[in-house]
Amino acid sequence: AAGVIQSPRHLIKEKRETATLKCYPIPRHDTVYWYQQGPGQDPQFLISFYEKMQSDKGSIPDRFSAQQFSDYHSELNMSSLELGDSALYFCASSYRGDGETQYFGPGTRLLVL
Amino acid sequence: AQSVTQLDSQVPVFEEAPVELRCNYSSSVSVYLFWYVQYPNQGLQLLLKYLSGSTLVKGINGFEAEFNKSQTSFHLRKPSVHISDTAEYFCAVGYSGGGADGLTFGKGTHLIIQP
Repeated sequence: AAGVIQSPRHLIKEKRETATLKCYPIPRHDTVYWYQQGPGQDPQFLISFYEKMQSDKGSIPDRFSAQQFSDYHSELNMSSLELGDSALYFCASSYRGDGETQYFGPGTRLLVL
Repeated sequence: AQSVTQLDSQVPVFEEAPVELRCNYSSSVSVYLFWYVQYPNQGLQLLLKYLSGSTLVKGINGFEAEFNKSQTSFHLRKPSVHISDTAEYFCAVGYSGGGADGLTFGKGTHLIIQP
């Protein structure tokens, strides 16, 4: 079965640089979520989109923004990167009508030097 | 607001022994409940979920969980564990009122299977 695709899988950036993470949801899924997981931590919800509209917002820094496109893929844009942004970033997708059960991608590991 | 408490950060168990990973939640609204497993350097895989109906739910890899509304618990169980079950297990809660709300996760329980 098709899964959530995230790219890139690994990313190394310098402080103050920008990064863009991409997420391709499971086909027919209409909702995308972004999470941040620091080392040894639980995933923290950042933001979600349903039918290309922002739906819920968690602890997303103002330096980050995201959007969902017409083909339902989503991008997380991160600017002015800080050392503390080093983490695993997960995208999840769901289909309304399935209890919003979220299926997670493999994650993008971001290292900020 | 919702919160999830996983009472044990680590659970060591001998191979082929039964295991229970505990999860309690707090919420002022009706919720959905999930268990996810994370193997080292991998993503989160859905083990099982409770949306409604029967309080005993069965998942993949022989795991099951029971939703107890009065005790606000959703403990995960497996009657006989294998070395391959060594992983981090996360309990999560989501709002059941519809909408694309983010999940709230517990801190995770590291299941360590000893030969």
